[in-house]
Amino acid sequence: QTVVTQEPSVTVSPGGTVTLTCASSTGAVTSDYLPNWFQQKPGQAPRALIYTTSNRHSWTPARFSGSLLGGKAALTLSGVQPEDEAEYYCLLSQGGAWVFGGGTRLTVL
Amino acid sequence: QVQLVQSGADVKKPGASVKLSCKASGYSFTSYYLHWVRQAPGQGLEWIGIINPNYGTTNYAQEFEGRVTMTRDTSTGTVDMELSSLRSEDTAVYYCIREFHGGHFDYWGQGTLVTVSS
Repeated sequence: QTVVTQEPSVTVSPGGTVTLTCASSTGAVTSDYLPNWFQQKPGQAPRALIYTTSNRHSWTPARFSGSLLGGKAALTLSGVQPEDEAEYYCLLSQGGAWVFGGGTRLTVL
Repeated sequence: QVQLVQSGADVKKPGASVKLSCKASGYSFTSYYLHWVRQAPGQGLEWIGIINPNYGTTNYAQEFEGRVTMTRDTSTGTVDMELSSLRSEDTAVYYCIREFHGGHFDYWGQGTLVTVSS
């Protein structure tokens, strides 16, 4: 049973930069894992932010970027805004199945 | 515009089955996979499975094998998911999500709350 691990919570100051990571128990995350990132605010359905490692959707602000970093998938927010406070989930492909990370609660303070 | 519209909330007793639907519109129904995921109250997201609407082929998470069935109706552009032998732990919001082949997830349904309670 693959486990995908994210930081449970992270705090960042407005205007700052923060990187959230996504690790797999099966080993280093590569582009073959097709990492996706989603944002969820309280009471709302999740929203897609990044697909296949680093591709932004048309609605994704440019301050969000995806990459691979040290064997993990990473989501970097540059110039964090108060409205970025939310839960962030990664999703990895695991040989025909998909596994979500446990989510990172991002607090903007 | 692309829309995934899900069926309404449901309440079931333990041991019963529930059937949820996800109606797609605004795009070519058979060109995108559809996934189902769920979120228990206060918890994270959990992947349930995927259906290829073009062929009706499916792949389910191991934890749901034997309890879940996904089907599609190409005439109505609808994907259904039936979950059987319900228990209280199945209480959750269930979402459908669209994926373009190769890991390009984009649109989500609005979610359907399923409550399992005696």
